[in-house]
Amino acid sequence: AQSVTQLDSHVSVSEGTPVLLRCNYSSSYSPSLFWYVQHPNKGLQLLLKYTSAATLVKGINGFEAEFKKSETSFHLTKPSAHMSDAAEYFCVVSVYTGNQFYFGTGTSLTVIP
Amino acid sequence: DVKVTQSSRYLVKRTGEKVFLECVQDMDHENMFWYRQDPGLGLRLIYFSYDVKMKEKGDIPEGYSVSREKKERFSLILESASTNQTSMYLCASSFRTTHNQPQHFGDGTRLSIL
Repeated sequence: AQSVTQLDSHVSVSEGTPVLLRCNYSSSYSPSLFWYVQHPNKGLQLLLKYTSAATLVKGINGFEAEFKKSETSFHLTKPSAHMSDAAEYFCVVSVYTGNQFYFGTGTSLTVIP
Repeated sequence: DVKVTQSSRYLVKRTGEKVFLECVQDMDHENMFWYRQDPGLGLRLIYFSYDVKMKEKGDIPEGYSVSREKKERFSLILESASTNQTSMYLCASSFRTTHNQPQHFGDGTRLSIL
C-alpha cells in the first residue's frame, strides 16, 4: 500500500531563515515523489520531482528536496524563506501504474516578516 | 508549458441544479482527474479518466458523473447539486505511460451551492 505523511500541519519561520517541510512515504514499489505549492485560491504548482535519478533534487524558487530511501523520507528545504513562500505545500507519491497519486494532507507555511 | 484550464474560477448555483465543470488541457495527456479540496480533508479524488470515454471512480464519486468525449476535455457533472458539494474543485492531467510524470493542475473552481 502507498501513503504519504506530512509530519507538520503548520510551520512558521522568519523571513530569511531556513525552511524545512517534512514528508515520509510508504510504498510497495519504487516511487516517484513530488512537491507542490498552492497559493490561496489557486491550483497546485509543481515545485520539484524525484524520479530515481539524483537523490538531491532542485526545484523552482530555490527549493530542493532529498530522497532518503533508508528513512523513507523526502523533506523539502529552502535556505532562506521569502514572504512569497507563504502557502500550502503538498507531498505526493506516485507508483508504477501512472494513474494513481497519493497526497499528503498538506503543510501550511507562514513566513513572519 | 502545460496548461490546464478550468472554465470558471467562481461559480454559484442553487440546490437541485445540474452543474457542469469543464476542464481542458493542451498537452495531449492521456490521464485526467477531478479532485475536490476541503479544509482539513485535503484533496480527494472524485473520478479519473485514462482515455477517451474511459473513466474510473475515485474515492468519493457519489453525486457526481464525468464525461470525456475528446482527449483534451474532461467534464465533471453534479447531477443534482446539494449544499454539501460546496467546495474547491481541481482538475489535473498527466501522461499515462510511466509513473514519473507529474500531474499538472488547473487554477480550480470554487463552487458554492445555495
